[in-house]
Amino acid sequence: DGGITQSPKYLFRKEGQNVTLSCEQNLNHDAMYWYRQDPGQGLRLIYYSQIVNDFQKGDIAEGYSVSREKKESFPLTVTSAQKNPTAFYLCATSGRGGENTEAFFGQGTRLTVV
Amino acid sequence: QKEVEQNSGPLSVPEGAIASLNCTYSDRVSQSFFWYRQYSGKSPELIMSIYSNGDKEDGRFTAQLNKASQYVSLLIRDSQPSDSATYLCAVYGNNRLAFGKGNQVVVIP
Repeated sequence: DGGITQSPKYLFRKEGQNVTLSCEQNLNHDAMYWYRQDPGQGLRLIYYSQIVNDFQKGDIAEGYSVSREKKESFPLTVTSAQKNPTAFYLCATSGRGGENTEAFFGQGTRLTVV
Repeated sequence: QKEVEQNSGPLSVPEGAIASLNCTYSDRVSQSFFWYRQYSGKSPELIMSIYSNGDKEDGRFTAQLNKASQYVSLLIRDSQPSDSATYLCAVYGNNRLAFGKGNQVVVIP
């Protein structure tokens, strides 16, 4: 099955705990993105990666970390330094350049602090 | 100035009417422009892509791009209740994809 898989769908985090959100794709896309969406808000860019072993901070990277060791995978860690992590997290992938930049999304992970 | 701006509030349109959504962007080197539809609680889905100035039509959707004015719009003709959703404008440039805050559209039967 082709596509983008985010797991888990729902995640609960205790105060002071690090958690990792998974994003896997088999679309052979070079670029991968992580966004955060709060209720009634648009998507804010956390981190993005255009190639393996390289990634850049987005607009709200503080309290988050990522890795891109494989083309297919771009996991996001929400660290204890992120003081308000409750949100809907979305992973997207695309090709690079021109009309290949159409991005497609996984189903999202809803993170709640308990 | 925000990278991608969608300033209109919620839009209510009668069934069968035209819904018009607007978006402006700040970076003149932006290359690609997209409209996504997002239903409540779901992830965004791509409905239109546009790369050059002018209009692009796909079914009931028309995207319009004016790079000189840094402006992208989306028209939804013959609006249906199933079009009720939030519409997100996205702009690709400098290797990153940025989104506006979105516009909620409600189609009234």
